[in-house]
Amino acid sequence: GAVVSQHPSRVICKSGTSVKIECRSLDFQATTMFWYRQFPKQSLMLMATSNEGSKATYEQGVEKDKFLINHASLTLSTLTVTSAHPEDSSFYICSALRRGVSYNEQFFGPGTRLTVL
Amino acid sequence: KNEVEQSPQNLTAQEGEFITINCSYSVGISALHWLQQHPGGGIVSLFMLSSGKKKHGRLIATINIQEKHSSLHITASHPRDSAVYICAVLGGSNYKLTFGKGTLLTVNP
Repeated sequence: GAVVSQHPSRVICKSGTSVKIECRSLDFQATTMFWYRQFPKQSLMLMATSNEGSKATYEQGVEKDKFLINHASLTLSTLTVTSAHPEDSSFYICSALRRGVSYNEQFFGPGTRLTVL
Repeated sequence: KNEVEQSPQNLTAQEGEFITINCSYSVGISALHWLQQHPGGGIVSLFMLSSGKKKHGRLIATINIQEKHSSLHITASHPRDSAVYICAVLGGSNYKLTFGKGTLLTVNP
């Protein structure tokens, strides 16, 4: 299957700092990527849809000024958690949409574990 | 709203047993994913189905569109199969997935 990478895999930061997470589709172009967060023992929650060359679409309840998304190229989307607080500690996962002739498929990154002290 | 229900929530098996995890959904979909997540790990896509059956190694996934139901089977289960298995459905044209709550599988040696 297609490969999606995330960097970093783990990050620990102090409260008040900003953290940038990268999501790359390594072997296909992705005009659409998705950002999810996952709390312990819970399922994935969609935060936003990242569209190449345009503004991201955020889900209800997700602060766009808190979670900045940039999709500047066909293979890279970034999520920046601004002024991080302990409650932002979570597992962040991206996926990239590969569009096909007969069907589209999402491929998931390995996730980034954010711990805010 | 498209609800995705998985059963069982937790499943413990002995090595070698045949495993079945079920997924039911409430509205029409275009595709269904079965995903695997090991503890503390990322998501791996096992299958994407829109009809019929797919097989990969010891894993088999089936879907019945009329009954809005899918099953994931694991033959000759092994402790390394221990993970959370998540069903996710894709409906409409916005490519958003709706996720089940997952099934925690533990295979004991």
